[in-house]
Amino acid sequence: EIVLTQSPGTLSLSPGERATLSCRASQSVTSRNLAWYQQKPGQAPRLLIYGASSRATGIPDRFSGSGSGTDFTLTISRLEPEDFAVYYCQQHGSSPPMYTFGQGTKLEIK
Amino acid sequence: QVQLQESGPGLVKPSETLSLTCTVSGDSISSYYWSWIRQPPGKGLEWIGYIYYTGSTNYNPSLKSRVTISVDTSKNQFSLKLSSVTAADTAVYYCARDLHITTIRGAQYHMDVWGKGTTVTVSS
Repeated sequence: EIVLTQSPGTLSLSPGERATLSCRASQSVTSRNLAWYQQKPGQAPRLLIYGASSRATGIPDRFSGSGSGTDFTLTISRLEPEDFAVYYCQQHGSSPPMYTFGQGTKLEIK
Repeated sequence: QVQLQESGPGLVKPSETLSLTCTVSGDSISSYYWSWIRQPPGKGLEWIGYIYYTGSTNYNPSLKSRVTISVDTSKNQFSLKLSSVTAADTAVYYCARDLHITTIRGAQYHMDVWGKGTTVTVSS
């Protein structure tokens, strides 16, 4: 089972700043199976990025994803007030065939 | 647009079976995979399993012995049963549409639409 480790656990930034969130896998991940989700308090997760770098429908272009192999990054170029939330990375492996999630990064207002 | 709604008892006694249903509206349940995911209070997300509209399933190995996911295409619903529950199964349970897309490089997986979630508490 592939383990995803996200860092940092908490990121404190101000609106307008750039956010860089990391997701590291315990073994190589197929990039097309790496996704990022945003979750706000009391809400369901929302798909942001799939295939490591493709934005989901309706997601602003300030959100971007990159990476390959074991290291993936979610970047928010200029933080808006509504971007402060918890972010999860997710992958689907083949052996065994299952999804795993990272433990999440909380992006909070500084 | 497609919407998902979870339903079921909010309170389940220890050792009993948790049963939830996800009703899909705005699209047919056919031609897609559908997942269940849960989130214990204050914790992260855990995938439980998915089902194809044909009835083919795949479960998280850590829960496999206790989980059954089924589909009712006539009602546009799919369901989750989790047996022998304990307090550790207390969580918000989400259903989601699970896209398994075939590309020239191979399959691509992610969940694009989620229900709002339903809280299940295991307690006597």
